[in-house]
Amino acid sequence: QQQVKQSPQSLIVQKGGISIINCAYENTAFDYFPWYQQFPGKGPALLIAIRPDVSEKKEGRFTISFNKSAKQFSLHIMDSQPGDSATYFCAASMGSNGTALIFGKGTTLSVSS
Amino acid sequence: EPEVTQTPSHQVTQMGQEVILRCVPISNHLYFYWYRQILGQKVEFLVSFYNNEISEKSEIFDDQFSVERPDGSNFTLKIRSTKLEDSAMYFCASSGSSGGTNTQYFGPGTRLTVL
Repeated sequence: QQQVKQSPQSLIVQKGGISIINCAYENTAFDYFPWYQQFPGKGPALLIAIRPDVSEKKEGRFTISFNKSAKQFSLHIMDSQPGDSATYFCAASMGSNGTALIFGKGTTLSVSS
Repeated sequence: EPEVTQTPSHQVTQMGQEVILRCVPISNHLYFYWYRQILGQKVEFLVSFYNNEISEKSEIFDDQFSVERPDGSNFTLKIRSTKLEDSAMYFCASSGSSGGTNTQYFGPGTRLTVL
């Protein structure tokens, strides 16, 4: 019940295309869903996050779509650029400070020019 | 922009030795965390710490591990007797004020290699 399932494991997208990464969870107590971007040899960097009271959140080229009834959420990267090539992790937590982030297994995105 | 820092960036140790990994969280944050990432795998929660106490820990965080905030700025993870399977990247993270959302900011990590 603590798992967060992420797909696909890897993704290749043409420059300018849309990258879509999906995550699913089981624990209905989760109420905070961040996405992290990680470059090789670096720590995860917070990209965007959503709470379940909204169905969509957009920040620049990055959008989270959230489906509470399906217990799924996804990251959309519009106009994908080679600089977006990285590993993306979805995560979930109970929301309040001090609680564990439960991470998905990650998606390695390659944007070809 | 404030950031979490970690030292050392790379630590090599012999099996059975003790290691201490150090972190300086963002200065006004109150919650501190350790995570690990075995090469090519997902990030796994180890422990969270608030008000000089462990708030939550995972089953990975057994008696070999301990955490401490020895002063007003540092947060440490000690592994008493390292095993080969402890080889991983260890990330420190911190988050802000009481009652706020669980927005955790990660440091650059320490790569621990156990030989």
